[in-house]
Amino acid sequence: DTGVSQDPRHKITKRGQNVTFRCDPISEHNRLYWYRQTLGQGPEFLTYFQNEAQLEKSRLLSDRFSAERPKGSFSTLEIQRTEQGDSAMYLCASSWGQGNGEQFFGPGTRLTVL
Amino acid sequence: DAKTTQPPSMDCAEGRAANLPCNHSTISGNEYVYWYRQIHSQGPQYIIHGLKNNETNEMASLIITEDRKSSTLILPHATLRDTAVYYCIVRSNFGNEKLTFGTGTRLTIIP
Repeated sequence: DTGVSQDPRHKITKRGQNVTFRCDPISEHNRLYWYRQTLGQGPEFLTYFQNEAQLEKSRLLSDRFSAERPKGSFSTLEIQRTEQGDSAMYLCASSWGQGNGEQFFGPGTRLTVL
Repeated sequence: DAKTTQPPSMDCAEGRAANLPCNHSTISGNEYVYWYRQIHSQGPQYIIHGLKNNETNEMASLIITEDRKSSTLILPHATLRDTAVYYCIVRSNFGNEKLTFGTGTRLTIIP
């Protein structure tokens, strides 16, 4: 399968713990996006990368959140000192090109903070 | 990006055409209309997009009014697998990378 993959698919953690999610985009896609989705809402943009450069971050991305894409391929999203309000689905998407091309989404990582 | 308004839910009989409306009265000249859908427990899936002309692909047709203030996504022969939340998104093609999702329309296909 050559689609966007995310790992893990589900994560349960206790409040205060750190968690890290991984996203593997479609091969050769230069753009990678992170979104967060809570129950009953549409996805909300968090941040995006063009190659290894992080070009935009939402105000939703507090200091406890950090994202990296060190070699312009896979990306990680880390949440430090998790809070119950961080419980959500974290979605990754990738796209190709300079324009606003179609974004291909992964299946998401569902985070539950107890 | 301009805001969109969609009905929260719709039903459609299997085999019939599903017509999903979207209002985007504040759309500007360089903004496109995109449609994505999200089937339960999956990530969103691109369907179609357009600027001002009607568009058709293997999944759906997009009809945009002449004043561009509203549009309709048409699924010509709805199947049970089309049950999903459908999002209408207005997006500039000049440097704006992110997709701004609303709450969408929950479409249920009835057998």
